[in-house]
Amino acid sequence: QKEVEQDPGPLSVPEGAIVSLNCTYSNSAFQYFMWYRQYSRKGPELLMYTYSSGNKEDGRFTAQVDKSSKYISLFIRDSQPSDSATYLCAMTRPGGYQKVTFGTGTKLQVIP
Amino acid sequence: DSGVTQTPKHLITATGQRVTLRCSPRSGDLSVYWYQQSLDQGLQFLIQYYNGEERAKGNILERFSAQQFPDLHSELNLSSLELGDSALYFCASSVGGGQVDTNTEAFFGQGTRLTVV
Repeated sequence: QKEVEQDPGPLSVPEGAIVSLNCTYSNSAFQYFMWYRQYSRKGPELLMYTYSSGNKEDGRFTAQVDKSSKYISLFIRDSQPSDSATYLCAMTRPGGYQKVTFGTGTKLQVIP
Repeated sequence: DSGVTQTPKHLITATGQRVTLRCSPRSGDLSVYWYQQSLDQGLQFLIQYYNGEERAKGNILERFSAQQFPDLHSELNLSSLELGDSALYFCASSVGGGQVDTNTEAFFGQGTRLTVV
């Protein structure tokens, strides 16, 4: 079983919809949680960073961490065609990027 | 544009061959990380260099090696290539050691798509 599980999708939604992307994990030592967005033929770019449990909001994006359930989510409100990309969750114990475990990514398509 | 430059963008080579992937980090970044991305495994950390020295090693095969030069660019050498080495190879860079717990972001290049035939 992988340490981080993420539904690969693809997920297709109409423009304006609320999107929910999720990851589950098994390592209770994870404390830092990130979401990356990866456009086709591009490298991942950091979208959201959260520490421990709770919610964090940035514009149309909300990251949610539930450590008791080992479950993290990314919500996208008023989704736009420009949000079409693959979203990777990532998480780690304290330390450097060599310790980060990435999910395999969920491909999202927002249809105009 | 992340500021991290990777060349070449695409590479097609035969089994048994050797290739070199190149990465130029963002100006001022001392750490370079190499990752392999495949469809079923996701992003897998290979190796990190910090200011010219190896800092951390991940799931890097013995057939693979890397180095970071005095000008801080890095090269990933892949030898005795196998079909299973076909993947996207990403380089990332960060200021200092790139501690996630201090929210020091690592910036990724556009990747090199390696196809072994």
